[in-house]
Amino acid sequence: AQSVTQLGSHVSVSEGALVLLRCNYSSSVPPYLFWYVQYPNQGLQLLLKYTTGATLVKGINGFEAEFKKSETSFHLTKPSAHMSDAAEYFCAVSENQGAQKLVFGQGTRLTINP
Amino acid sequence: GAVVSQHPSRVICKSGTSVKIECRSLDFQATTMFWYRQFPKQSLMLMATSNEGSKATYEQGVEKDKFLINHASLTLSTLTVTSAHPEDSSFYICSAGPGGNQPQHFGDGTRLSIL
Repeated sequence: AQSVTQLGSHVSVSEGALVLLRCNYSSSVPPYLFWYVQYPNQGLQLLLKYTTGATLVKGINGFEAEFKKSETSFHLTKPSAHMSDAAEYFCAVSENQGAQKLVFGQGTRLTINP
Repeated sequence: GAVVSQHPSRVICKSGTSVKIECRSLDFQATTMFWYRQFPKQSLMLMATSNEGSKATYEQGVEKDKFLINHASLTLSTLTVTSAHPEDSSFYICSAGPGGNQPQHFGDGTRLSIL
């Protein structure tokens, strides 16, 4: 079985500040981990994913995440927040690289203060 | 551009109506598609796996007679919410991918409101 916990349903940062969205997972098999962004009334857009290999994964829009097996974490970061980053972010886990049958975390709403 | 098209984007209808939502893969064939449901301010929950040419696989707790899934072609899956009631109001999202290790693509979702 797999599960995902996102700490903090709402994160607020100032424009230009560091963004840190936390994600911890549980998986009985090697996990494939994903971060998605959702804008209001839209579907999900893939930010980045960890499959195998390098544990620091770079994605679109300046985001990156680090897979830490010992901590069962996959936190999402961005050095400098932009107003356009305001959205809902979901961490998800799957048993396959193709992101089939995703198990999502509860989501974190990111607000950017001017 | 979008590689998975979901239609309609919004539906408002009366209680007791059946509503059909379409999910199309635009530039690839998908033997498997996935349907998720998202309640307001909550996460997405997998409802069912749509399998081309065979029966859908439903997650525990999802009523298969309530949420009818048809995957008659390699580019189209439909979700029909039968005799919809206000508690069925939600945001429904589909995903599809070419298969294997290729990534899933999500539709833009359908907001269903039952009065």
